[in-house]
Amino acid sequence: DIQMTQSPSFLSASVGERVTLSCKASQNINKYLDWYQQKLGEAPKLLIYNTNNLHTGIPSRFSGSGSGTDYTLTISSLQPEDVATYFCLQRNSWPLTFGSGTKLEIK
Amino acid sequence: EVQLVESGGGLVQPGRSLKLSCLASGFTFSNYGMNWIRQAPGKGLEWVASISSSSSYIYYADTVKGRFTISRDNAKNTLYLQMTSLRSEDTALYYCARRISSGFDYWGQGVMVTVSS
Repeated sequence: DIQMTQSPSFLSASVGERVTLSCKASQNINKYLDWYQQKLGEAPKLLIYNTNNLHTGIPSRFSGSGSGTDYTLTISSLQPEDVATYFCLQRNSWPLTFGSGTKLEIK
Repeated sequence: EVQLVESGGGLVQPGRSLKLSCLASGFTFSNYGMNWIRQAPGKGLEWVASISSSSSYIYYADTVKGRFTISRDNAKNTLYLQMTSLRSEDTALYYCARRISSGFDYWGQGVMVTVSS
């Protein structure tokens, strides 16, 4: 199975700050990497699919990049409504596996 | 409007069975793969099972293989998860989610399953 490691586990940043979250796969996942945002008490929401494609309706301050085993989610200017836990998911091979999440809060 | 509504959760003793349902509306259910994903209290997400639109392809996480069965009834727009030999570690909020080529685009609100004596 492919293991997904997210870092950091917790991140505190200021409004307007550029934020970068990391996700590392235990083997090449060929850019089949999605990012999900989960706010407290809500179901997860798809943000980015296949590494760098913004899902419908997601603000352009979110972007993704990466290849091989290393992937990043960037928020160009952090907003208060971005407080959430962010999970990566690899869809390259079965079983699908999520990272353990990065909890993002406002400083 | 796409809606996914899970039901069938509750408190169950270890070793017993439970069947979850997910009623879909607002889209052509038979055209989409569907998945179950769970989240233990205070923990991260764990993909559980996936079924293709015509039930031709089915996959399971190793942690549930042999105990859980995913199925669907396209005439009833309903996805199922039959869970047997339940363990305390199966305690979680279970989400159904629609799968498209670009990920899981719609999720239900989840149904809680608690396995405890």
